[in-house]
Amino acid sequence: DAKTTQPNSMESNEEEPVHLPCNHSTISGTDYIHWYRQLPSQGPEYVIHGLTSNVNNRMASLAIAEDRKSSTLILHRATLRDAAVYYCILRSGSARQLTFGSGTQLTVLP
Amino acid sequence: DSGVTQTPKHLITATGQRVTLRCSPRSGDLSVYWYQQSLDQGLQFLIQYYNGEERAKGNILERFSAQQFPDLHSELNLSSLELGDSALYFCASSVDSGLSTDTQYFGPGTRLTVL
Repeated sequence: DAKTTQPNSMESNEEEPVHLPCNHSTISGTDYIHWYRQLPSQGPEYVIHGLTSNVNNRMASLAIAEDRKSSTLILHRATLRDAAVYYCILRSGSARQLTFGSGTQLTVLP
Repeated sequence: DSGVTQTPKHLITATGQRVTLRCSPRSGDLSVYWYQQSLDQGLQFLIQYYNGEERAKGNILERFSAQQFPDLHSELNLSSLELGDSALYFCASSVDSGLSTDTQYFGPGTRLTVL
């Protein structure tokens, strides 16, 4: 699987936007970019995914660079409940499992 | 609530023992995945079952085995337990459409402590 690189930790103030970066310079043309997050004491949960175009859903937005070598997960207004570890994961067509890296620990300050 | 249930929530046992972890997938999901989360290794994929058949294998030890039953629930069996097997074990389920857009839904996990 292609590798992703994320900062170990980030901080944000409550009700402000958060931009969580992910580098994936060895991404292949068929790899989808997925984001999952893991809230404290819970299992991971799906956030969003995309291939080439930017994507929006009720939880977040995903901005994908034109060369696809990086992406950014955007939380438009962080809440205390968004404090979690965020994982950026590349998935190819043949891979059934999720390959988790170390993720970014997001701390939201009141 | 993801719709995936796991029992028990906590399990404390001794080295050398055997335990069974149980998972019920979301209604309609045919695939079950098992993951292990430990402090030093992070979240690691163990094994996947699809409609009763093993489909993919990850870093699963030979002392560990799994199966998926006709009602689609799955069990992960861990034997000859060692201290290093202490971890959170997560089950996830998905439709497994074969597409890389397939979403996995995770259960709340079973915390295993081996003393």
